[in-house]
Amino acid sequence: QVQLVQSGAEVRKPGSSVKVSCKASGYPFSSYGISWVRQAPGQGLEWMGEVISITSSANYAQRYKDRVTITADEYTNTAYMELSSLRSEDTAVYYCARGPLGGNSMIYCDSWGQGTLVTVSS
Amino acid sequence: SYVLTQPPSVSVAPGETASITCGGNNIGSKSVHWYQQTPGQAPLLVMYYDTNRPSGIPERFSGSNSGNTATLTISRVEAGDEADYYCQVWHTGDYVLFGGGTKLTVL
Repeated sequence: QVQLVQSGAEVRKPGSSVKVSCKASGYPFSSYGISWVRQAPGQGLEWMGEVISITSSANYAQRYKDRVTITADEYTNTAYMELSSLRSEDTAVYYCARGPLGGNSMIYCDSWGQGTLVTVSS
Repeated sequence: SYVLTQPPSVSVAPGETASITCGGNNIGSKSVHWYQQTPGQAPLLVMYYDTNRPSGIPERFSGSNSGNTATLTISRVEAGDEADYYCQVWHTGDYVLFGGGTKLTVL
């Protein structure tokens, strides 16, 4: 069955970076995209960006494009999301999610990782 | 950029029908997808391409999309349906875009 297993919780200081991993199994990794979605405490879902490994490309939400890098390693079936210049407002649960492709982008998210809590605090 | 508008909350008695709306400019021309999220859990896809239920989602869940409003309908609501529900579309430039979410309360 499809599984997305994310790395564990992280604590970072303001101004630093964090890199979260998402290991996929149970399906052909390159045939789907991987998105990263974050959820601040008590808030809704916010899409940050995606990686399309079959084309080695990534798309980002405008508000994150200067701070986030999303990559995928086809050899280990693992996607990564790195967020830099962290501030307290980046404290959130970060989810990876798989989804089918339409053109060069994901259409929706049909399977989700368990989430990774990133806490930014001095 | 494109905006999806959901009511913050919807309340319904057990056994009744809940309708959760998602408004957007000419949203009927787009495909809408819906997610259910219970506290502390990852979201779960409950409807895709407006009207399609993933495997394992009860037939009580249905969807529609026309004009400026898409709707997720839950018939014969159960206590276990209490959750936050999010609509989502794909939009040029925004890519994956979520609505603000609706908290469904079962009275």
